[in-house]
Amino acid sequence: DIVMTQSPDSLAVSLGARATITCKSSQSVLKSSDKKNYLAWYQQKPGQPPKLLFYWASTRESGVPARFSGSGSGTDFTLTISRLQAEDVAVYYCHQYYSTPWAFGQGTKVEIK
Amino acid sequence: QITLKESGPTLVKPTQTLTLTCTFSGFSLSTPGVGVAWIRQPPGKALEWLTLIYWDDDKRYRPSLESRITIVKDTSKNHVVLVMTNMDPVDTATYYCAHVPPGRGENFFDSWGQGTLVTVSS
Repeated sequence: DIVMTQSPDSLAVSLGARATITCKSSQSVLKSSDKKNYLAWYQQKPGQPPKLLFYWASTRESGVPARFSGSGSGTDFTLTISRLQAEDVAVYYCHQYYSTPWAFGQGTKVEIK
Repeated sequence: QITLKESGPTLVKPTQTLTLTCTFSGFSLSTPGVGVAWIRQPPGKALEWLTLIYWDDDKRYRPSLESRITIVKDTSKNHVVLVMTNMDPVDTATYYCAHVPPGRGENFFDSWGQGTLVTVSS
């Protein structure tokens, strides 16, 4: 099974500052046949279901603000919020869909400093 | 617009069987490539994928739970049903159903239901 590990578990960032979350998979999620990274990112606000932010590691879902970006390949991935807004307070999860059982990271809680 | 909604009991006793229904709109489970998944989240913990059913009735199960879970679809009613046997207090969680978009390998979840909290307690 592929294990997804996020870091940090939580971080506090000032409004307008950059927030960076990393996600590491225990094996590569880059498929050689199509050169795609089978990695998604979700945002979950308190009391709400998760919301898809990115798929294929860096393809932004419709409606996601441009201050969010996804990057990385193979086993190492990053979610960046370039200028943190109050509405970005949430828990963020990475998710590999390269092979079953599909797995999520443990989550990273983003708060305002 | 895709919507999904989970329904079922909020409280089950240990050893009982849980049956949850996902009722959806805005897509058809007869469309090639489409799927519906179940994911759960224990209180304060991370997400855990459980099972998925595709338009062609192909199914995937989490290996550690495969002996306890069954997923079925009723395309005409726009329903997907999750059955989990021998419930235990550790199965206490919010259970979500989610839409899997059509496309080869696109097994991510682009729309989610609001979730339903199931508590397992005697």
